[in-house]
Amino acid sequence: SYELTQPPSVSVSPGQTARITCSGDALPKKYAYWYQQKSGQAPVLVISEDSKRPSGIPERFSGSSSGTMATLTISGAQVEDEADYYCYSTDSSANHRGVFGTGTKVTVL
Amino acid sequence: QVQLVESGGGVVQPGRSLRLSCAASGFTFSNYGMHWVRQAPGKGLEWVAVISYEGSNKNYADSVKGRFTISRDNSKNTLYLQMNSLRAEDTAVYYCAKEREATPAMDVWGQGTTVTVSS
Repeated sequence: SYELTQPPSVSVSPGQTARITCSGDALPKKYAYWYQQKSGQAPVLVISEDSKRPSGIPERFSGSSSGTMATLTISGAQVEDEADYYCYSTDSSANHRGVFGTGTKVTVL
Repeated sequence: QVQLVESGGGVVQPGRSLRLSCAASGFTFSNYGMHWVRQAPGKGLEWVAVISYEGSNKNYADSVKGRFTISRDNSKNTLYLQMNSLRAEDTAVYYCAKEREATPAMDVWGQGTTVTVSS
């Protein structure tokens, strides 16, 4: 089955830049989406269609994609950005089944 | 405001069935595809199933295909997940989520309902 691979953890100091990668064979043809999930809460969409920021998401969140890798960048990370982050996409089959990445724990300290 | 509220979770024995519901409000439910996503304790997110806005197209993760059925009642603004032949590995928080327009992703999530499969 299709997989999206992320690093398990990323650490960043407040005000610095955090980058989270997501690797998948279908990403050249499929958009990547990024979700933030804080402890005990439902996920929140922070990046849509590789690089679009939904309404209400701070400008410090940005996304890009090249080849088989998508990247979420948090520029000037804040303490409140500490959370788990998941990429999401669909497989290349005609059924367009969804798949989440393995998840990355971002620590801001 | 846009809101999704799941219900129907609980403790169930292996091999038994359970039906989850998701009540939608604050948007035109019949215009949007809907998803179920689950998260096992201490684990990552797992996509489970999707249904098209009118209910004719459905897709499932391999892990639940043949056991789970997604459905919707647009007259009641409600999404369902019928779960049969439950296994211990189905233990998770189950979220319903609204599809973001013109994308296969989800932009609004409920708070989740917990399903525990245990004897």
